[in-house]
Amino acid sequence: SAVISQKPSRDICQRGTSLTIQCQVDSQVTMMFWYRQQPGQSLTLIATANQGSEATYESGFVIDKFPISRPNLTFSTLTVSNMSPEDSSIYLCSAGTGTHGNEQFFGPGTRLTVL
Amino acid sequence: GENVEQHPSTLSVQEGDSAVIKCTYSDSASNYFPWYKQELGKRPQLIIDIRSNVGEKKDQRIAVTLNKTAKHFSLHITETQPEDSAVYFCAASLGVGGYQKVTFGTGTKLQVIP
Repeated sequence: SAVISQKPSRDICQRGTSLTIQCQVDSQVTMMFWYRQQPGQSLTLIATANQGSEATYESGFVIDKFPISRPNLTFSTLTVSNMSPEDSSIYLCSAGTGTHGNEQFFGPGTRLTVL
Repeated sequence: GENVEQHPSTLSVQEGDSAVIKCTYSDSASNYFPWYKQELGKRPQLIIDIRSNVGEKKDQRIAVTLNKTAKHFSLHITETQPEDSAVYFCAASLGVGGYQKVTFGTGTKLQVIP
């Protein structure tokens, strides 16, 4: 398993601004992922953060809106750019462990409110 | 892409009874099926998983079964306790371009009534 921390834990932001969320893992992991979870809903994968290369985005998510960095095997950031109230959600990072990196362990999440 | 359906969306059981949550997946290439428990305001936690070469796996009061032919898998919780109350998510993992992409079901809110 892996221990994952995120910061900030929550934030209230004005529309049009950007917020960068940090995710730190206590050990080196091959895979890191970013998810969005609306209240009472399931988890939606935003992108896979690749170390040393550009992130892989899922349908409906674009780099200009959600730029991601992965400078090493223990750290990643997600930026929510030019925010609107529709971006209000919980953002979770996860680390993939195990042979194929598909045993995922989640960070505590960042609760974002955009006014 | 993969599509995971999960039923029921809500489930209420009396303490001590069993609870069963069922999921189906669409892509026969999916090969890893984890289950997550998410308590209110907390992060999802991996509680049990099963790989496609195994039909059943058990860990104390929880068990998971997999039917690859029918493309469905189930979570069984026996002797339920109030602390089992949470939202449970099934998921299916598929290898895509060298990494494993996990698709989550819609979730089941389990309430265990004391």
